Amino acid sequence: DVKVTQSSRYLVKRTGEKVFLECVQDMDHENMFWYRQDPGLGLRLIYFSYDVKMKEKGDIPEGYSVSREKKERFSLILESASTNQTSMYLCASSLLYEKLFFGSGTQLSVL
Amino acid sequence: AQSVTQLDSQVPVFEEAPVELRCNYSSSVSVYLFWYVQYPNQGLQLLLKYLSGSTLVKGINGFEAEFNKSQTSFHLRKPSVHISDTAEYFCAVSVDAGNMLTFGGGTRLMVKP
Repeated sequence: DVKVTQSSRYLVKRTGEKVFLECVQDMDHENMFWYRQDPGLGLRLIYFSYDVKMKEKGDIPEGYSVSREKKERFSLILESASTNQTSMYLCASSLLYEKLFFGSGTQLSVL
Repeated sequence: AQSVTQLDSQVPVFEEAPVELRCNYSSSVSVYLFWYVQYPNQGLQLLLKYLSGSTLVKGINGFEAEFNKSQTSFHLRKPSVHISDTAEYFCAVSVDAGNMLTFGGGTRLMVKP
């Protein structure tokens, strides 16, 4: 089975801190995605990557950046965390034109 | 750009009753349609998808959905639900066969004994 692992299930940070969310997949997938999930809003795409060192903005990239130095790892970075970035963050990976496999999510609270 | 509307944020239903979760979409081009399910404390997993062909699509766990192009809908149905179907269900659309998904707001299905 494909495994997408997110490093933390729960994370509490303070306003202004730099935050790293890590995601690792074990199936050699080309595509990796970061979504945030908010009640009533569903999932919104933050960034995605089709290849190593490649990144594309999604629908809500403001306040976020990403890094993909290795194929299996895709990191989401909050340069200066703010309270409106409190959310559930979901990482996903896929082969081209195949279904997405999701991690279990990281619930981030910014105080 | 495309958008997805899930008309019900919560659907309570008794065990063994039928259920329909509604999904409508808008797009200026042809779309591909998906339903994902999220069980408590888990990531999303694919329930079913419509890419082409028959408009009635069968998925895992006894769910099915029907693509209706004239009504721009892709409603999810199950004839008899179980307690274990309690989860959040997300409808999604894509214009590129599945990589760039636009999700609806989700519907929480609550199955009661």
